Amino acid sequence: EAGVVQSPRYKIIEKKQPVAFWCNPISGHNTLYWYLQNLGQGPELLIRYENEEAVDDSQLPKDRFSAERLKGVDSTLKIQPAELGDSAVYLCASSLEGGLYYEQYFGPGTRLTVT
Amino acid sequence: GIQVEQSPPDLILQEGANSTLRCNFSDSVNNLQWFHQNPWGQLINLFYIPSGTKQNGRLSATTVATERYSLLYISSSQTTDSGVYFCAGGNPQGGSEKLVFGKGTKLTVNP
Repeated sequence: EAGVVQSPRYKIIEKKQPVAFWCNPISGHNTLYWYLQNLGQGPELLIRYENEEAVDDSQLPKDRFSAERLKGVDSTLKIQPAELGDSAVYLCASSLEGGLYYEQYFGPGTRLTVT
Repeated sequence: GIQVEQSPPDLILQEGANSTLRCNFSDSVNNLQWFHQNPWGQLINLFYIPSGTKQNGRLSATTVATERYSLLYISSSQTTDSGVYFCAGGNPQGGSEKLVFGKGTKLTVNP
């Protein structure tokens, strides 16, 4: 069974440029998460989807970040415009269902560097 | 929200040694997971263990939910065990269904 797939693995952009990250969850997993991991820290939740509905986006900086999961499968996270402080690893995870009763599985992440 | 504390923050071992990593959480959890983040950044699932004891090869974990802590045991450590170990817990009470991660334990196993 394929795991969570993310692309690109690495991205270098100049500040003020837009950037997008893509995630394909494990087949059959209805819940999808985007996490942000800063250097030396644990991941922090940005947004959680139940199917195509964003049910928890309280940690998403909505002035510059947006996300979508149009058909309830793969998802895109966008930053526009990027700032120097956005340099981090962006992780996607999925679980069978929500409610924290199911194990979460993580993708390899996208390492973003903003110069 | 829940707070998760891990100890020790850093651990250096010689190959073959045993170790215990600890995770304390501030409130009850119904999801508790241990992960190993390898040098390439991939988070690898080790255990889903909101309570009880599980074993997988040289690794085992115990969560005492009533006392709000979990332990990860690594026996006969190998250099490939190096990396950062995270525990993460979650509780849907209060409406936020998210895993809260500790800051991790950085393990270095020397040959």
